Amino acid sequence: GNSVTQMEGPVTLSEEAFLTINCTYTATGYPSLFWYVQYPGEGLQLLLKATKADDKGSNKGFEATYRKETTSFHLEKGSVQVSDSAVYFCALSDYNFNKFYFGSGTKLNVKP
Amino acid sequence: KAGVTQTPRYLIKTRGQQVTLSCSPISGHRSVSWYQQTPGQGLQFLFEYFSETQRNKGNFPGRFSGRQFSNSRSEMNVSTLELGDSALYLCASSLAGSNSGSSSYNEQFFGPGTRLTVL
Repeated sequence: GNSVTQMEGPVTLSEEAFLTINCTYTATGYPSLFWYVQYPGEGLQLLLKATKADDKGSNKGFEATYRKETTSFHLEKGSVQVSDSAVYFCALSDYNFNKFYFGSGTKLNVKP
Repeated sequence: KAGVTQTPRYLIKTRGQQVTLSCSPISGHRSVSWYQQTPGQGLQFLFEYFSETQRNKGNFPGRFSGRQFSNSRSEMNVSTLELGDSALYLCASSLAGSNSGSSSYNEQFFGPGTRLTVL
C-alpha cells in the first residue's frame, strides 16, 4: 500500500541555519509528491510539489527533489527564518490523485 | 477568489451526540476531501466526494458519513460521538479530481478546519 514516513520532530534551529526534513515513501505506480505547511491555527498550505522522478519542486527558498531510486522527497532550505516555524507534512497522491497520504508531520521551531 | 471555508470553526459536544460539519469549496472546484487530524494519528483521510458521489473512502467506521450537494458544498456527519473523535477536521477542495493525469487539476486547497471537542 501507499505510505509516507517523515522524520520525527520537533526540529529546533537557529535563524539562518540549514534545514533538512527527511521524507520517504512507499507507493505503487508513479505517485506525485508534495510538501504542505501548517501554521498555528490554520489549515494546510501547499508549499511545493513534484509529479515525476527527478523533478525538483521549489517555493519560498524551500526545495525538494523527487528521488525514485531512494523513494525520497527530502525538504531543504538553505537559511531558515523565524517565520518558517510551522509543521511540515510530506504527502503523496496515487494515480487516482485525489487520495492523499500524509506523513505524521514535523514541527520546526526557529529561534532568533 | 475566496478560499475554502469551513463552519463552524469550533464545536464542543458530549459523548453520544451527533455533529454536522460544513465545507464550502473554492468556486469551480468539484472535489471535496475530508481529513481528521489528531496529535496521535496525524492526518487521516476520511472520504472524497466528486459530483455528489463518494469516490474514495478511508478506514473509518460507519459513524462517519458525508455528502455533497449540487453546488459542491459538502457536509460530514459523525453520529454517536466518542471521546476519540476529538480532532481537527479539515476539508480540501480541488478542481477536477478526475484521472486526468494532470496534477494541476488535483492540487488540494485546505480550509482552516473545524476543531471538535467531545466531552
